[in-house]
Amino acid sequence: SYELTQPPSVSVSPGQTASIICSGDKLGNKYACWYQQRPGQSPVLVIYQDNKRPSGIPERFSGSNSGNTATLTISGTQAMDEADYYCQAWDSSTGVFGGGTKLTVL
Amino acid sequence: QVRLQESGPGLVKPSQTLSLTCTVSGGSINSGTYYWSWIRQPAGKGLEWIGRIYTSGSTNYNPSLKSRVTISVDTSKSQFSLNLSSVTAADTAVYYCARIMAGTSLVFDIWGQGTMVTVSS
Repeated sequence: SYELTQPPSVSVSPGQTASIICSGDKLGNKYACWYQQRPGQSPVLVIYQDNKRPSGIPERFSGSNSGNTATLTISGTQAMDEADYYCQAWDSSTGVFGGGTKLTVL
Repeated sequence: QVRLQESGPGLVKPSQTLSLTCTVSGGSINSGTYYWSWIRQPAGKGLEWIGRIYTSGSTNYNPSLKSRVTISVDTSKSQFSLNLSSVTAADTAVYYCARIMAGTSLVFDIWGQGTMVTVSS
């Protein structure tokens, strides 16, 4: 079965750039999405189709996807960005989530 | 604004069937632009996709759960449902229903608030 791998945790200082990677076999041939989940809340879509932002998502969120790696980049990270982030892709008709990355802003 | 709301028992006994319903409000469940899906999340763990249904009734399931899962839709009630049979403690989780927007890619664009289901005798 298809798998997506994320680092369990990433730390960043306020105002700096955070990068969260998601690895999967030939992931660049698929579309990657990213979801933000704050504690006790439902996930929220922050990036879709590799690099598109839904309405209402700040410009500091961006994405890329090439080869075997998709990357979520948060520029000028703010305290409110502290959350779990999940990458997601479709393997044929099966939805696959990465294991999640806890972003700590300290 | 479209909203999704999960409902169902919060406690299920081992070996029984977990049954949840998701009610769609503020929009049509019949739109051909969307799929409807279930995702779960055990406490402190990541998201696991369970399956999806199109309004035609066509379904796709996570291969790891396929033998135990049934997702159905009742367009007259604007609801879709999840049945998970032969549950064990490993099925204890928060269960989310979500809308999948179908376009160039498929994205979970709207999520319910989630409902906690505990499997215990």
